[in-house]
Amino acid sequence: KQEVTQIPAALSVPEGENLVLNCSFTDSAIYNLQWFRQDPGKGLTSLLLIQSSQREQTSGRLNASLDKSSGRSTLYIAASQPGDSATYLCAVDPGYGNKLVFGAGTILRVKS
Amino acid sequence: GAVVSQHPSWVICKSGTSVKIECRSLDFQATTMFWYRQFPKQSLMLMATSNEGSKATYEQGVEKDKFLINHASLTLSTLTVTSAHPEDSSFYICSASLDTNQPQHFGDGTRLSIL
Repeated sequence: KQEVTQIPAALSVPEGENLVLNCSFTDSAIYNLQWFRQDPGKGLTSLLLIQSSQREQTSGRLNASLDKSSGRSTLYIAASQPGDSATYLCAVDPGYGNKLVFGAGTILRVKS
Repeated sequence: GAVVSQHPSWVICKSGTSVKIECRSLDFQATTMFWYRQFPKQSLMLMATSNEGSKATYEQGVEKDKFLINHASLTLSTLTVTSAHPEDSSFYICSASLDTNQPQHFGDGTRLSIL
């Protein structure tokens, strides 16, 4: 059974700092991996999707890497801003029926 | 593009009431819709997968008679929580995808509080 773990559970940083969020998964046989952002009481916004054949994806200040063999992904946020404060969720698609398996998330707070 | 609307965003009701939540894909036809439940500070847990015109597939441990799912059209799926009790209080989120291997687009969720 696929399990997804995210570390740290919570993170508080001053504005402008670069930071890394970690995601690990137990079964390396995945179709893709996604990073989402969730604001309090809201749904999910997709940030980056990495296909199993890819090693990284970039969007603006965000960079996500994928090491499928070791079951790890990282989300790098450059020059963090207070507006980046949210919960960041990692999810893997095992490749059958598009059933995403989510981690518990990292709650990020960027202080101004 | 790819907007998913979920309604209502928040509902409070008495124990024993049945509550219907709607999930609509506004600008695309969703062959598949998913329903998730999220408890405070926990991850999203998939409850069921619904395909237009067929019965929903429920995940292990999810009572299909408790959580009725209807996906009657390519743009609308509904989740009805029947005879809701306080332990059903949670955040319910739907998602929709054009096809099985296409990205899921998420609604804004429904906060359900059963008194």
